[in-house]
Amino acid sequence: NAGVTQTPKFRILKIGQSMTLQCTQDMNHNYMYWYRQDPGMGLKLIYYSVGAGITDKGEVPNGYNVSRSTTEDFPLRLELAAPSQTSVYFCASRRQGNQPQHFGDGTRLSIL
Amino acid sequence: AQTVTQSQPEMSVQEAETVTLSCTYDTSESDYYLFWYKQPPSRQMILVIRQEAYKQQNATENRFSVNFQKAAKSFSLKISDSQLGDAAMYFCAYRFYNQGGKLIFGQGTELSVKP
Repeated sequence: NAGVTQTPKFRILKIGQSMTLQCTQDMNHNYMYWYRQDPGMGLKLIYYSVGAGITDKGEVPNGYNVSRSTTEDFPLRLELAAPSQTSVYFCASRRQGNQPQHFGDGTRLSIL
Repeated sequence: AQTVTQSQPEMSVQEAETVTLSCTYDTSESDYYLFWYKQPPSRQMILVIRQEAYKQQNATENRFSVNFQKAAKSFSLKISDSQLGDAAMYFCAYRFYNQGGKLIFGQGTELSVKP
């Protein structure tokens, strides 16, 4: 099992550009999450999904969009990138019940 | 709204000694989960220990244990026999029982281990 795989690992964007952060998991987990981590801070939830076709907002959804067309994939879309979106982005997934979240290795995104 | 507070931005411990990291949280719910995650410089998020709120017994995982005080809304992490590899950022996290099981994280405590 590869677990939770995020691509790319690093990316530099210009202000106003768009991009999609990819996240895929091979554990057949229903629940998937996107977090961002600003320097020296804890993670904050952007969006989450409880299954294919179902998504919901977290604490900091503005400027982002998600979709969940399959169980495996949960891409995060940035439209019109802004410097405030410079951060490390983590994707996570978990099984139903009291199981903990498994995290990907993160994507470091800089917007200049 | 649920909040998680870690009041110690930095802690230091001598190798082989014991250290306790503090965490308090605020919630009006009775069912929830609590976690401690470790984040080394590689930035991986590694689960250290978890506690179900309905369980009175404190969780233990080898050298790691918690002191869970539900009425006080306190969830501290004790690391015994500290090792150099324990140096990392530690995050306390609250997990909703419902609402998709989303996590709310504290600000983190950076632990350094002196040889």
